[in-house]
Amino acid sequence: DVKVTQSSRYLVKRTGEKVFLECVQDMDHENMFWYRQDPGLGLRLIYFSYDVKMKEKGDIPEGYSVSREKKERFSLILESASTNQTSMYLCASSSPGRQLPGSYTFGSGTRLTVV
Amino acid sequence: SQQGEEDPQALSIQEGENATMNCSYKTSINNLQWYRQNSGRGLVHLILIRSNEREKHSGRLRVTLDTSKKSSSLLITASRAADTASYFCATDAQGGNTGKLIFGQGTTLQVKP
Repeated sequence: DVKVTQSSRYLVKRTGEKVFLECVQDMDHENMFWYRQDPGLGLRLIYFSYDVKMKEKGDIPEGYSVSREKKERFSLILESASTNQTSMYLCASSSPGRQLPGSYTFGSGTRLTVV
Repeated sequence: SQQGEEDPQALSIQEGENATMNCSYKTSINNLQWYRQNSGRGLVHLILIRSNEREKHSGRLRVTLDTSKKSSSLLITASRAADTASYFCATDAQGGNTGKLIFGQGTTLQVKP
């Protein structure tokens, strides 16, 4: 069964900490995405990547960075966590294929609380 | 940048009834997709309909697309309690071939046993 795996389901961090959220996919997908989901705001795109070592900003990149050193792994980094980054973080991957955009496969999500 | 918007925001029905959710979008698209999210979990892809298709079926799901009205609907027939979830439509970002999706805010469906 194909999978997108997020390293933690729940995470509690302190304000000012550097936080790493890891996402691994086993489908050899080129595209990977990080979203955050908040009540009333839906899913908002933070960063995405079309290839190894490639990244592009989404709609809300401020306070975040990403790393994609290998095709299967896409990491989201909170440089200095703040309470307004408390949220559900969702990683997804897709393959361009013949239908653009392709369907996404999502991880189970990481619920991050910054205290 | 909001591309897809679902309507209604919340829907409550009895088991066995049909549930209809609507999605409107603003720019031209390559395809439109519907996803489901159980509480506290990731989204699961349900169905994709291309811009040149008008209707598509998958089990108890029926999706229609009207590109002239820039709208789509998802119909779940003979609903079950297990269909309780949030449902999202997703479309291309600005209609380009980017592979990037923009999601609506979702319709929360409650199916009462």
